[in-house]
Amino acid sequence: QVQVVQSGAEVKKPGASVKVSCKTSGYTFTHYYIQWVRQAPGQGLEWMGRIHPDSGDTKYAQKFQGRVTMTRDTSIRTAYMELSGLRSDDTAVYYCARDREAFDVWGQGTMVTVSS
Amino acid sequence: DVVLTQTPLSAPVTLGQPASISCRSSQSLVHSDGNTYLSWLLQRPGQPPRLLIYKISNRFSGVPDRFSGSGAGTDFTLDISRVEAEDVGVYYCTQATQFPQSWTFGQGTRVEIK
Repeated sequence: QVQVVQSGAEVKKPGASVKVSCKTSGYTFTHYYIQWVRQAPGQGLEWMGRIHPDSGDTKYAQKFQGRVTMTRDTSIRTAYMELSGLRSDDTAVYYCARDREAFDVWGQGTMVTVSS
Repeated sequence: DVVLTQTPLSAPVTLGQPASISCRSSQSLVHSDGNTYLSWLLQRPGQPPRLLIYKISNRFSGVPDRFSGSGAGTDFTLDISRVEAEDVGVYYCTQATQFPQSWTFGQGTRVEIK
């Protein structure tokens, strides 16, 4: 059974960084991209970027360039998304999802709250 | 950049009646490999999105056959033949003409029961 489990909620101060993990199981981790999407409270979905777990190749949305870093650890089948320079408008639920030509399996989401 | 425009943004429907959501793109969604990576997601309240339809018209595993997708080029539609209570939520279309480089989402369409 394919599963994607994310790390727990975080509360951060403005200017800090947050690192969210995305642990996978039930399939070959290195075969499919992992995409990251966020959703601000009451808002729609926003694509942040993706990583290929095999090569480590990344592509980031222009909006997040310079602030986001996506990595992976193939030994534990886990992808990571780190966002730095947090602002209040980064408060959102952050999702990872497997990309098999569509977002076919989603993590449960990680709530990140940025507040002083 | 490709912009996806969904209509309507809100759709009050009667149980057992059909519903239809449109997704229009600012440019053709045909990828250089010949595929069209247009999919539909449903996000129920308090839950992550889930995949319903991929590559325009393919139902994902476990999705009821009352859901169907159609379209080509720049115009796409999600149809629900008979709305059930569990279909309430926000529907998003999403595309990747530059797959796997980037994805964009429509604004979402909220489906609620009248």
